[in-house]
Amino acid sequence: DIQMTQSPSSLSASVGDRVTITCRASQTIGSYLNWYQQKPGKAPKLLIFAASSLRSGVPSRFSGSGSGTDFTLTITNLQPEDFAAYYCQQSFSSPLTFGPGTKVDVK
Amino acid sequence: QVQLQESGPGLVKPSQTLSLTCTVSGVSISTADYYWDWIRQPAGKGLEWIGRFSTSETPNYNPSLNSRVTISVDTSKNQFSLKLSSVTAADTAVYYCARGRSHFDYWGQGTLVTVSS
Repeated sequence: DIQMTQSPSSLSASVGDRVTITCRASQTIGSYLNWYQQKPGKAPKLLIFAASSLRSGVPSRFSGSGSGTDFTLTITNLQPEDFAAYYCQQSFSSPLTFGPGTKVDVK
Repeated sequence: QVQLQESGPGLVKPSQTLSLTCTVSGVSISTADYYWDWIRQPAGKGLEWIGRFSTSETPNYNPSLNSRVTISVDTSKNQFSLKLSSVTAADTAVYYCARGRSHFDYWGQGTLVTVSS
C-alpha cells in the first residue's frame, strides 16, 4: 500500500494568511494526487485533482503543486470559511489511500 | 445535478453484517465512465477507502477488508450497496458513498453506523 503523510497535523492561522500544507507519498505517484476539504459533520469536498487542477467552482485562492512523492496545497488570503480539515489522497494504485489530515483552525 | 444518498441501519450488532445502500440521482450508475465507491471515517479519525465498483470492471476492495466486503449494484434502481460481514466495534464509523474517477468528485452526506450489542 502507498502510505500518505501530511504536515503539519494542525495549524493555527488568521484570516488573510497564506497557508501551506504538505503531503508526501511513500512511493512515486506521478500526479495522481487529490486534495479535499472537510468541515465538521460534513462529507469531504474535492478541491484539487491531478495535483494541480482546480475543481470548477472552487475559489482560486486554493492551489496545488507537486509531482512524484511531494505535494503542496496552498491557500492564499485565508477566508473564514476555509477553517476546516484538509486531506490528500492518492489514486495511483489500489488500495486508494488518504493522508491523515491537517486541521486548520483560528489563531 | 449529481446526488448520492446513503441509507441503512444505524445500529448493527457485533458479528452481524452491515448493509448500506447508496441511491444515485442525476447520472446513471450504468455508465462505464465512473467508479462508485464506499469510504468510511471513524469518529475523529481519517478516511479509509473500502472499495469500488464499475460496470466495466470487477469490484475492487481494500485488502484490509477484502474478505468481509461485497459491493453490488442494482441498475434498475440506480443504487449500489455495501455489505460488510462479521463486524466489530472497530467498524463503527460514518460511511460515505462517492462517485470516483481518479478522484472522488461527488459524495453522499454520510451515515453513521454504530456496532454495538
